[in-house]
Amino acid sequence: NAGVTQTPKFQVLKTGQSMTLQCAQDMNHNSMYWYRQDPGMGLRLIYYSASEGTTDKGEVPNGYNVSRLNKREFSLRLESAAPSQTSVYFCASSTTGSNQPQHFGDGTRLSIL
Amino acid sequence: SQKIEQNSEALNIQEGKTATLTCNYTNYSPAYLQWYRQDPGRGPVFLLLIRENEKEKRKERLKVTFDTTLKQSLFHITASQPADSATYLCAAQNSGNTPLVFGKGTRLSVIA
Repeated sequence: NAGVTQTPKFQVLKTGQSMTLQCAQDMNHNSMYWYRQDPGMGLRLIYYSASEGTTDKGEVPNGYNVSRLNKREFSLRLESAAPSQTSVYFCASSTTGSNQPQHFGDGTRLSIL
Repeated sequence: SQKIEQNSEALNIQEGKTATLTCNYTNYSPAYLQWYRQDPGRGPVFLLLIRENEKEKRKERLKVTFDTTLKQSLFHITASQPADSATYLCAAQNSGNTPLVFGKGTRLSVIA
């Protein structure tokens, strides 16, 4: 069982370049999430998709766009990367409803020079 | 704004002792609290969930409490082992399918 798969695992970009981070889950979950994790800041929600066809902003959405391509896939796009977006990005999924645990991928480590 | 605070950035404990990690919340009345474990270079892994009307939840060597008066959750690992060394994250959620809000985590080191 793969669970949540994120690609790529590592990426280095130059300021101003664009990039799409891919996420796919094989657990038939309705809800999917994108977080960033920075030292001293913890996990912060960028965007989430409660169900296929819907997306909502989280705590730190500026500079990012998302696409819920289908039930399995949820991508995160940086249109014009900035050094402040250097971070580890995690995708997660869960079944719908409160009190549901989230299942995380192993992250994409993104450096922007 | 809603805040989830894990007071200790790092906690060192001797093998065999009970580790106790603290999660406090302010400007918030979460209906659920979740605890996750994160190993270096990996994503968080769900451990336990506790509801506001539950005082305590157990799973093997793990125990979580939820005190709505103190606005606090405690996470205990009994008979700790070096393999328990990891970062532990607390996360809170209102009812109604709202997103989780995570604390910054506590890095636990269990020393043999």
